[in-house]
Amino acid sequence: EDQVTQSPEALRLQEGESSSLNCSYTVSGLRGLFWYRQDPGKGPEFLFTLYSAGEEKEKERLKATLTKKESFLHITAPKPEDSATYLCAVLRGGSNYKLTFGKGTLLTVNP
Amino acid sequence: DAGITQSPRHKVTETGTPVTLRCHQTENHRYMYWYRQDPGHGLRLIHYSYGVKDTDKGEVSDGYSVSRSKTEDFLLTLESATSSQTSVYFCAISAGGGLNTGELFFGEGSRLTVL
Repeated sequence: EDQVTQSPEALRLQEGESSSLNCSYTVSGLRGLFWYRQDPGKGPEFLFTLYSAGEEKEKERLKATLTKKESFLHITAPKPEDSATYLCAVLRGGSNYKLTFGKGTLLTVNP
Repeated sequence: DAGITQSPRHKVTETGTPVTLRCHQTENHRYMYWYRQDPGHGLRLIHYSYGVKDTDKGEVSDGYSVSRSKTEDFLLTLESATSSQTSVYFCAISAGGGLNTGELFFGEGSRLTVL
């Protein structure tokens, strides 16, 4: 069974304090790993797709990386507006549609 | 903005009553999905659609049915609501145009409470 484990469950940072969120996964034939941001009361917002180990994607203060067992979302010099829940999901290869989400990491950035 | 509208946004109902949630999209996307989100669980797929009248089950489909008679509308029905179906329901469309993708645009969600 595919599994996605995100850690920590919650992270509190001071503005400007860089850190990383972790997404470890087990999946049969990874087709892609996806990062989302979710604000309270809103639907998830797509951030990045990573397809293979060694790949990196960047967007503003966020950088996502991928290895064969995990992905990291690095947040550099975060601002309060980066506060949100960050979700990770993996897509299994094959003909049947199977996208498995983690439970998320709640990030709070204090000014 | 992928032009997704969910209705109702909030609903309180009683056990045993039927409930229909609507997802409407304005951009002619072929692939649409219904997810539920609960504390302590990741988003879980209920049903998805790959075209008009073409639907398939996800991992938590028991107790739910769907219909898609028009490209723009994907309906999720709880035939007889139970308290375990209290949840936030999200509709999503495929951003990249294909079915087998994790790049989804989500609606704002429908919060359902079953008493």
